[in-house]
Amino acid sequence: IAGITQAPTSQILAAGRRMTLRCTQDMRHNAMYWYRQDLGLGLRLIHYSNTAGTTGKGEVPDGYSVSRANTDDFPLTLASAVPSQTSVYFCASSDAGGIRGQSNEQFFGPGTRLTVL
Amino acid sequence: GNSVTQMEGPVTLSEEAFLTINCTYTATGYPSLFWYVQYPGEGLQLLLKATKADDKGSNKGFEATYRKETTSFHLEKGSVQVSDSAVYFCALRGAGGTSYGKLTFGQGTILTVHP
Repeated sequence: IAGITQAPTSQILAAGRRMTLRCTQDMRHNAMYWYRQDLGLGLRLIHYSNTAGTTGKGEVPDGYSVSRANTDDFPLTLASAVPSQTSVYFCASSDAGGIRGQSNEQFFGPGTRLTVL
Repeated sequence: GNSVTQMEGPVTLSEEAFLTINCTYTATGYPSLFWYVQYPGEGLQLLLKATKADDKGSNKGFEATYRKETTSFHLEKGSVQVSDSAVYFCALRGAGGTSYGKLTFGQGTILTVHP
């Protein structure tokens, strides 16, 4: 593994179903993030984690949950998918989630394209 | 809260034309500013960054200067190539309060360069 991997690459899901998007990084970064990308809206932060064992809500957290049991993995779960959650989901990580003075460059995974019907 | 506004797209240019993509921001304190690029079918990659006022970020012929007086971070390139066709995102990293450390993105600008 090099960098950030996401799985699956794409998924078509029936409304009401539960779905977990996986994200794994091998850079030992402290901070990890989940974004959704929608046309005309850019990327919007769903949830984040500054370090293993902690998580926080972003701009659009409703309908999503995350966990951070270890440094490398940051899964995103849709408990009961709805069509408005159709989007491209990007996971990202950085090595300075809360340290002042750092430029906090984020590295992105290749994305998961999710369609909820 | 923090916000980033990019010029409306899409932008279509001929090869070797001059490129400007405008970006303005609203933020408290002194945020760091970034331009990310997304090539077709890929995730975002950092193109350049600036962490304080008057800093100029540059990479691959692209430049942007952090202008605090106009709260802007416009992206420029003197001569674009077909390979520059992509979506460009301006972003800021919050410097204080509840936004600290998080990235806020603009809506993205689609650039298409024709031979």
